[in-house]
Amino acid sequence: SQKIEQNSEALNIQEGKTATLTCNYTNYSPAYLQWYRQDPGRGPVFLLLIRENEKEKRKERLKVTFDTTLKQSLFHITASQPADSATYLCALAINNAGNMLTFGGGTRLMVKP
Amino acid sequence: ETGVTQSPTHLIKTRGQQVTLRCSSQSGHNTVSWYQQALGQGPQFIFQYYREEENGRGNFPPRFSGLQFPNYSSELNVNALELDDSALYLCASSPLTTGEKLFFGSGTQLSVL
Repeated sequence: SQKIEQNSEALNIQEGKTATLTCNYTNYSPAYLQWYRQDPGRGPVFLLLIRENEKEKRKERLKVTFDTTLKQSLFHITASQPADSATYLCALAINNAGNMLTFGGGTRLMVKP
Repeated sequence: ETGVTQSPTHLIKTRGQQVTLRCSSQSGHNTVSWYQQALGQGPQFIFQYYREEENGRGNFPPRFSGLQFPNYSSELNVNALELDDSALYLCASSPLTTGEKLFFGSGTQLSVL
């Protein structure tokens, strides 16, 4: 069966360091991979999308990589801040339009001052 | 703020009852999807509506049903509520043109007692 795995344990890092979150998937050949941020009691907020023919995507302090051979995406936040503390969700599209998503379980990031 | 609004924000029901959740999509978005998010897990795709018709469905039983209206707003109906239906229900809209990233509402927290 299709599966997306993210580290279920919380990631605790010091302010200013780089946070790296991992998303692994099996039995997929996704055209897109997306990352979302979710704060408690709120809906997910879109951060970045990367296509299967892209190796890397950047947006301000965020960087996403996509390795279709390893079936893995890495999500990096550089110069992390306490305001970056949230749950980060990885999602793959299950349709060609890319708007039906299957999500991983999310990784909670805590950035300490 | 994404412009996607959901009501009510919280709801308490008892087992066996029926519930209707409502969603107004972001202006210009004609595709609406519903997701169920249990505590500590990622969102799970329930179904998607496009032009008032169900356009795709996840692994949910028929007692989960929906509607989309001409103004693109949507309803999620759940019959014969079970304890395991307790979750955050998220509505997400997307425009047809890009169809890639989703804009989520803040969700309805449903508790089934």
